Amino acid sequence: DAGVTQSPTHLIKTRGQQVTLRCSPKSGHDTVSWYQQALGQGPQFIFQYYEEEERQRGNFPDRFSGHQFPNYSSELNVNALLLGDSALYLCASSSGHRGNTIYFGEGSWLTVV
Amino acid sequence: EDQVTQSPEALRLQEGESSSLNCSYTVSGLRGLFWYRQDPGKGPEFLFTLYSAGEEKEKERLKATLTKKESFLHITAPKPEDSATYLCAVQANTGNQFYFGTGTSLTVIP
Repeated sequence: DAGVTQSPTHLIKTRGQQVTLRCSPKSGHDTVSWYQQALGQGPQFIFQYYEEEERQRGNFPDRFSGHQFPNYSSELNVNALLLGDSALYLCASSSGHRGNTIYFGEGSWLTVV
Repeated sequence: EDQVTQSPEALRLQEGESSSLNCSYTVSGLRGLFWYRQDPGKGPEFLFTLYSAGEEKEKERLKATLTKKESFLHITAPKPEDSATYLCAVQANTGNQFYFGTGTSLTVIP
């Protein structure tokens, strides 16, 4: 039973560039959430996708956008990268968008230079 | 405002020395409280979900408990492989997001 898979695992980008991160949810899950985790901090909620729609958004600027595909996989896009966007980006999946445990992937490490 | 505070920030234990990690929370109607373990450079690994005050869950050397204001993660006779950061999160009835604390970094010394 495949868990949550994310790609790429590591990447380095330059300020001002754009990045796309990808996520495949755990088998049987239909909801994907994205979190940002800075060093020494807990994960911070970016947004959640369910039925190909953004259901809830955290306190992140419009530079952060996402998409969910019919097969429930998801992408996170970040435009106009800033140094402060350097972090571990975590994808989490669950069954249904309310009240269920979320399971995380291993994350994508983004370094902005 | 929904928030989670974990203490202590770091904890060093001798192998076999039992202790507890604390998670205090403020939430507008608790839907669930969650404990995760995170190893360096990895994603959080799910441990427990607690839904109501008085509930307890156990797994090997770990036991999680819940009251109306806080949760404890009790570690009995820890081993070096229990060394990790333990994260607590809450989900409110009013939304879908999880609010995480900053974690407790546990080191178990052989």
